[in-house]
Amino acid sequence: EVQLLESGGGLVQPGGSLRLSCATSGFTFSNYAMSWVRQAPGKGLEWLSFILGGGTGTNYADSVKGRFTISRDNSKNTLYLQMNSLRAEDTAVYHCARGWNNGYFDYWGQGTLVTVSS
Amino acid sequence: EIVLTQSPATLSLSPGERATLSCRASQSVSSYLAWYQQKPGQAPRLLIYDASNRATGIPARFSGSGSGTDFTLTISSLEPEDFAVYHCQQRSNWPRTFGQGTKLEIK
Repeated sequence: EVQLLESGGGLVQPGGSLRLSCATSGFTFSNYAMSWVRQAPGKGLEWLSFILGGGTGTNYADSVKGRFTISRDNSKNTLYLQMNSLRAEDTAVYHCARGWNNGYFDYWGQGTLVTVSS
Repeated sequence: EIVLTQSPATLSLSPGERATLSCRASQSVSSYLAWYQQKPGQAPRLLIYDASNRATGIPARFSGSGSGTDFTLTISSLEPEDFAVYHCQQRSNWPRTFGQGTKLEIK
């Protein structure tokens, strides 16, 4: 059974940093691209970042480019999102999602809540 | 960036009725559009990909249609478990974008 479990969310002050993790199981992690998608309160889903299975290629939404860094450890079957210079508008539930069919997402984690507030 | 606009924002229907949800793209996405279902506190679930193909395990009452800029998700006869938020998403261009969602609620 494919499982994705995010962790690392919490309350952080504006300008602070957090590192999210997404532990996966039930599939060959290195064979799949992965993404982070977030959902702010009362808003729709927003794709943030993508990384290829081998970890060599990445892409970012303009809203997080230069502040967030996606990475992965295929030996640990884990995806990461390093978030720096956090802003109030980054407050959201952050989901990791498995890439499928060159751009869709076939499995998602339930998400971890990040709250940016003083 | 391709903007996806979903309508209506909220749809109030009864079990057994037919639901029709719309997603309009700001430019052509060909057939590269997916639909997801999300229930409160749960992860989104892929329903439809490439506009009209049901994902694995999705019941036949869910169907998708459209191409270019106009797409429709139809639920032929609503079951109680179908009341949820539905999102569309395009994979035609970077960045991948989603609509703002349609909430399907019980009337």
